[in-house]
Amino acid sequence: EDQVTQSPEALRLQEGESSSLNCSYTVSGLRGLFWYRQDPGKGPEFLFTLYSAGEEKEKERLKATLTKKESFLHITAPKPEDSATYLCAVLLSGGYNKLIFGAGTRLAVHP
Amino acid sequence: GAGVSQSPSNKVTEKGKDVELRCDPISGHTALYWYRQRLGQGLEFLIYFQGNSAPDKSGLPSDRFSAERTGESVSTLTIQRTQQEDSAVYLCASSFANRDTQYFGPGTRLTVL
Repeated sequence: EDQVTQSPEALRLQEGESSSLNCSYTVSGLRGLFWYRQDPGKGPEFLFTLYSAGEEKEKERLKATLTKKESFLHITAPKPEDSATYLCAVLLSGGYNKLIFGAGTRLAVHP
Repeated sequence: GAGVSQSPSNKVTEKGKDVELRCDPISGHTALYWYRQRLGQGLEFLIYFQGNSAPDKSGLPSDRFSAERTGESVSTLTIQRTQQEDSAVYLCASSFANRDTQYFGPGTRLTVL
């Protein structure tokens, strides 16, 4: 069964304390892996798409990387405004169009 | 430009009533998706529309759920005879044809009493 698992479920950081969020996946075939940010009461906001093992994408303090089994979202010197839930999702190969999501990691960055 | 919009933002209903949720996709996006997000859980795929092709209904949890789309614009998700387990946030997303990135609306929070 196709599955996406995110860890940890929740993470508390001090402002400036860098860390990484993990997304591991077991799928029949991967077409792409997506990272979204979701603030309370809002819809997911697109961050990155990764297609190939070894690929990296960066945006401000965030960097996403991809291997054949997992993806990492690295947060460098986070600020309180980075507090949100970060969602990982996969798109399967073979003509499927639905995203399969993990349960998310709730990140809290304290000043 | 304008993003995906959904209405209402909140809906409270009584068990057994029917509800309709609306989604306006981004202009030019021919693909439209509905997902459900239960408290503390990941988003679950419900249904996918692409142009005039037959929709992919494989994620609809029961025959109480249905959705329609008028051409390449507005979509409505209808839940008949609502149950308490239908309480969730219903999210709509859209994308360009043959593009993978889906852009989400703000969601409709449905509470069934």
